[in-house]
Amino acid sequence: EAGVTQFPSHSVIEKGQTVTLRCDPISGHDNLYWYRRVMGKEIKFLLHFVKESKQDESGMPNNRFLAERTGGTYSTLKVQPAELEDSGVYFCASSHGMGDYGYTFGSGTRLTVV
Amino acid sequence: AQKVTQAQTEISVVEKEDVTLDCVYETRDTTYYLFWYKQPPSGELVFLIRRNSFDEQNEISGRYSWNFQKSTSSFNFTITASQVVDSAVYFCALSEASRGSTLGRLYFGRGTQLTVWP
Repeated sequence: EAGVTQFPSHSVIEKGQTVTLRCDPISGHDNLYWYRRVMGKEIKFLLHFVKESKQDESGMPNNRFLAERTGGTYSTLKVQPAELEDSGVYFCASSHGMGDYGYTFGSGTRLTVV
Repeated sequence: AQKVTQAQTEISVVEKEDVTLDCVYETRDTTYYLFWYKQPPSGELVFLIRRNSFDEQNEISGRYSWNFQKSTSSFNFTITASQVVDSAVYFCALSEASRGSTLGRLYFGRGTQLTVWP
């Protein structure tokens, strides 16, 4: 089966611009997670979708971040306007059930805000 | 407070040496899961192992082994006879199984950069 796909793999934008990251989970996986790793720090949870609904968005840093999951399939994470501290690697993961812990991670999107 | 602590930021070894990566976790849940992931230079997170809190048996998979000790809240990872291809960042993670809406969320440590020199 195809894995979790994220694109772009890299993005370099200027401060104040908008960037949209996309994640295509494994087909049939209801649960989709976004995580972020800022350089040298831990990978931190951002939010969790169950199908198209936000189950937990307590990790979203501020209202410049907007996540959507249209139709319960792919998800987008938009950062608008981007700030320097938003730089990092954004990971997406999916799983079939919420408690089965069979996560599959994508390769991440490396975002650099200059 | 961090739920997962990986105190070793960087470790360097020479090929064929054994190396242990430490992981200490903190949780009040009685049911939880522990994970190790590998992030090679290509960037993806590769799943290595998942352990539930009721299974304290140590596990061995080839050159990899894991030592889970609830008494010290540790879940350490040992690579025997390390190889250059083992060079990567290794993350330990925790998921708490009884947290309702946060069920499924992973708490990661900061990662340990392992470099294996030829």
